[in-house]
Amino acid sequence: KAGVTQTPRYLIKTRGQQVTLSCSPISGHRSVSWYQQTPGQGLQFLFEYFSETQRNKGNFPGRFSGRQFSNSRSEMNVSTLELGDSALYLCATSVSGPPETQYFGPGTRLLVL
Amino acid sequence: GENVEQHPSTLSVQEGDSAVIKCTYSDSASNYFPWYKQELGKRPQLIIDIRSNVGEKKDQRIAVTLNKTAKHFSLHITETQPEDSAVYFCAAMVNQAGTALIFGKGTTLSVSS
Repeated sequence: KAGVTQTPRYLIKTRGQQVTLSCSPISGHRSVSWYQQTPGQGLQFLFEYFSETQRNKGNFPGRFSGRQFSNSRSEMNVSTLELGDSALYLCATSVSGPPETQYFGPGTRLLVL
Repeated sequence: GENVEQHPSTLSVQEGDSAVIKCTYSDSASNYFPWYKQELGKRPQLIIDIRSNVGEKKDQRIAVTLNKTAKHFSLHITETQPEDSAVYFCAAMVNQAGTALIFGKGTTLSVSS
């Protein structure tokens, strides 16, 4: 089976711009979770989607949003980028969500200048 | 909401020694506790997990213990090897109209030969 893929792998944006990141899950996986990883803060939960519905949301501002398509691919969007949004954004997928094993993608590294 | 504290943030051991990483969680309803290993530049990967109906689980050199009363769980690595060097993350599952994993901030383990 092909693993979780994320595109793009690297992005450079400037403050105020917006960005869209994509996550393609393993075939058969319908749950997609998104995390922000920064040094010292670990993995912070953004949101989780299952069957095109957001089931859970972390404590991030409304500038962070996401969606899931009928083929389970998910996108997350960050609007009005701030310097502090620079991070590695990881998605993790599973058949129906925890407690099933989540498989992580390689991440998208976002740099905001 | 759920909060997961992880200690220590860094841990250095000699090859062959044991390493112990501890986590505490706040939500007594949490019932699934995975541990992930992230090597430098790579994606996190599940190494072991435990559910609330089990007190201990072992897999070769790795073991996890859970104390639901005290709301803490620990990762034990015996006979450490240089390839165990990585960042280790604990997590607790939150089950609120869907599921999410809340991660600790990570422990950087360095094993020197």
